[in-house]
Amino acid sequence: GDSVTQMEGPVTLSEEAFLTINCTYTATGYPSLFWYVQYPGEGLQLLLKATKADDKGSNKGFEATYRKETTSFHLEKGSVQVSDSAVYFCALSEYSGAGSYQLTFGKGTKLSVIP
Amino acid sequence: NAGVTQTPKFQVLKTGQSMTLQCAQDMNHEYMSWYRQDPGMGLRLIHYSVGAGITDQGEVPNGYNVSRSTTEDFPLRLLSAAPSQTSVYFCASSSGGWYNEQFFGPGTRLTVL
Repeated sequence: GDSVTQMEGPVTLSEEAFLTINCTYTATGYPSLFWYVQYPGEGLQLLLKATKADDKGSNKGFEATYRKETTSFHLEKGSVQVSDSAVYFCALSEYSGAGSYQLTFGKGTKLSVIP
Repeated sequence: NAGVTQTPKFQVLKTGQSMTLQCAQDMNHEYMSWYRQDPGMGLRLIHYSVGAGITDQGEVPNGYNVSRSTTEDFPLRLLSAAPSQTSVYFCASSSGGWYNEQFFGPGTRLTVL
């Protein structure tokens, strides 16, 4: 079945540091890929997505490129801020027939940014 | 526009009790789903629905029941609560299509003693 593997945390960075969170996936077909973010005490919200190979998703200074050849979707940001402290989830969604599809998540990476 | 709402926010149950977690959305989304979030496990899909009257099992369906009588509501029932069901539960909805964003509710934190 489908699976997502992302780097385990926690990750602690100083403000303005460069961020990379690695994510690789296993899927049978042509999935869409997502990064969701969860701020403390809240539900998840979409950060960015890519729906086909070589697409780049971007939002709020974060970027990720859909690499089919390496089955990866790594999240990057050039200069993190304290407000970026959150848990980040990589996820994939793939059509499974009869109008059905499921979102499969990685285990999450907790990021803490210190001033 | 409230988005996805969940009630209650917190709940404590004793082993063997039953309860229903409520989920509603006002975006006219066909697809709705329930996840549980446990430390170090990410989110795991419990049940999902692609429209009113249609439900299916996800990765961890045992001990949970769902029904979808309207587009707006998708309640999750715990038939006989067990300590292993202590978790944070999230409901989500989407306009359909595996390429679309899912919108999440704020969650229900459930403790089973």
